[in-house]
Amino acid sequence: EAQVTQNPRYLITVTGKKLTVTCSQNMNHEYMSWYRQDPGLGLRQIYYSMNVEVTDKGDVPEGYKVSRKEKRNFPLILESPSPNQTSLYFCASSLSWTEVSTDTQYFGPGTRLTVL
Amino acid sequence: AQSVTQLDSHVSVSEGTPVLLRCNYSSSYSPSLFWYVQHPNKGLQLLLKYTSAATLVKGINGFEAEFKKSETSFHLTKPSAHMSDAAEYFCVVKGSNYQLIWGAGTKLIIKP
Repeated sequence: EAQVTQNPRYLITVTGKKLTVTCSQNMNHEYMSWYRQDPGLGLRQIYYSMNVEVTDKGDVPEGYKVSRKEKRNFPLILESPSPNQTSLYFCASSLSWTEVSTDTQYFGPGTRLTVL
Repeated sequence: AQSVTQLDSHVSVSEGTPVLLRCNYSSSYSPSLFWYVQHPNKGLQLLLKYTSAATLVKGINGFEAEFKKSETSFHLTKPSAHMSDAAEYFCVVKGSNYQLIWGAGTKLIIKP
């Protein structure tokens, strides 16, 4: 089944404790992206990747890191989480970066992160 | 710069009555526009998209949207609401650099 998976689905952590949220897609998509969703703000893009080893900042990259060492995986890293990073996070992928605006973006199920 | 505004944070309709979710956009060129739906505790699903072809776009589950350049609008409609339509709906515009810019969302409530 074609899908985007994220782990963990739920995470409660404390300020300053490094964490990684994994994202994996099995559709051989080139483009992958991370969003955070906060009430009343819709989704905001954190980082995106047009292909392996190519990443760029979205609208809200502060406090986050990403890497794209292989096509299928795009982990999101919080080196020193803070309470304002408490949010719902979505990973997404689509066929290629040139098609991101017209092709379907497939979304993972979301990761609900709470930073105390 | 591109932007999108969803005019209602909540819309409440009775089952069987029409649905109208309003979206206005701002774009310096001919935009690509999308509607996504998010059911409670679920992921995001594409409902429909406009990419400069027909101005009336049909999507899944009986939804459609009409692109009106003169009004810079892309409202989502459905003739008859069903209980399963209760969800949050997002209007999205393609931004520069191939990013997606999301509206704040409209929660659709269906009354029995």
